[in-house]
Amino acid sequence: DGGITQSPKYLFRKEGQNVTLSCEQNLNHDAMYWYRQDPGQGLRLIYYSQIVNDFQKGDIAEGYSVSREKKESFPLTVTSAQKNPTAFYLCASSVDRSVDGYTFGSGTRLTVV
Amino acid sequence: AQSVTQLDSHVSVSEGTPVLLRCNYSSSYSPSLFWYVQHPNKGLQLLLKYTSAATLVKGINGFEAEFKKSETSFHLTKPSAHMSDAAEYFCVVSLRGAGNMLTFGGGTRLMVKP
Repeated sequence: DGGITQSPKYLFRKEGQNVTLSCEQNLNHDAMYWYRQDPGQGLRLIYYSQIVNDFQKGDIAEGYSVSREKKESFPLTVTSAQKNPTAFYLCASSVDRSVDGYTFGSGTRLTVV
Repeated sequence: AQSVTQLDSHVSVSEGTPVLLRCNYSSSYSPSLFWYVQHPNKGLQLLLKYTSAATLVKGINGFEAEFKKSETSFHLTKPSAHMSDAAEYFCVVSLRGAGNMLTFGGGTRLMVKP
């Protein structure tokens, strides 16, 4: 079945460490997105990519980095520069310039210990 | 610019009673509108979408929403709530021609009492 897979489901990070969250899709979607969700809040866009080897900053890109070397993969690195990284991270994908909405992964919960 | 406002951050209903989750949007162009549902520690699942066809849209699990251009609203309803409907619901707008970027509302947490 086609879908979008995020791993790991839970991730613990020590302060000062970089961590990378994985997002893989086999839907042949052109566009991919990373969102951050904090308790009781909506989704905030971190980064997005509409084609391979190209990505754009979203509303809260500081302290994060991404790459898009393959169409299927859009990993997110949470760097030590992100001062408050504890959150739920959601990856999504879509057919570019479509009105069909996004397909979401099941999320990664990152906790700083 | 486009935006979407969910008028209630929390809604509580009794099982078997109707559900109404309110959403208003602002957009200079004819938008596409969506409702997504999120259960705890899960991703978002598409409930239904409006893309300029019929103004009354039927979705999964008995939910439906009506697009009212004059009121710039896209409220989500269900005739009879079930315990499994307890979740977070997001109203979302997509501006055509803007590269399929979605704008999310702040979410409404639906609680269903037995």
